[in-house]
Amino acid sequence: QKEVEQNSGPLSVPEGAIASLNCTYSDRVSQSFFWYRQYSGKSPELIMSIYSNGDKEDGRFTAQLNKASQYVSLLIRDSQPSDSATYLCAVEGGSYIPTFGRGTSLIVHP
Amino acid sequence: DTAVSQTPKYLVTQMGNDKSIKCEQNLGHDTMYWYKQDSKKFLKIMFSYNNKELIINETVPNRFSPKSPDKAHLNLHINSLELGDSAVYFCASSHGRDSTQYFGPGTRLTVT
Repeated sequence: QKEVEQNSGPLSVPEGAIASLNCTYSDRVSQSFFWYRQYSGKSPELIMSIYSNGDKEDGRFTAQLNKASQYVSLLIRDSQPSDSATYLCAVEGGSYIPTFGRGTSLIVHP
Repeated sequence: DTAVSQTPKYLVTQMGNDKSIKCEQNLGHDTMYWYKQDSKKFLKIMFSYNNKELIINETVPNRFSPKSPDKAHLNLHINSLELGDSAVYFCASSHGRDSTQYFGPGTRLTVT
């Protein structure tokens, strides 16, 4: 059974701070890793994708992947209240069956 | 233009009924998916469909069946609805495997 684990939170950070979201996965053959953001009552939307070890930066977002430790994280710099949402980690191993974590609720307070 | 659309947005029905949810994507993607998101917000894949190849999550009851008339459509049929089927159902599409998924707006199904 492939598993993706996330701390459900809520993670509460002040505006302007760095929010750090973490995810671990069980399937060592996993090849693709995604972070989705889901606002309440809305559908998930992609924030970042990462496929190789190391860091990938896009604006205020940085995804970090460590395949040896089976760990992927998302850093949000200069957090804004509009970043308040649930962040879903997804892992795919080439089987057309992505596995999602339960999501971490992020609250950015002014 | 909506990339991935679903109808209906809300569906309220009684136990034992049969219902369908429709999904269409205009992104030219070759892979489509159905997900179920329960009350605890856990998003769980039910099916993926790629170039007429259906991959089923083995935990999905056979009361659920996907039907794809063409690459742009993947409908979900549910027979003999049960209370536990109440959830939000998301359709999604992607270009090939291991790639970004684009989600539809969701269909909130309530079984009474």
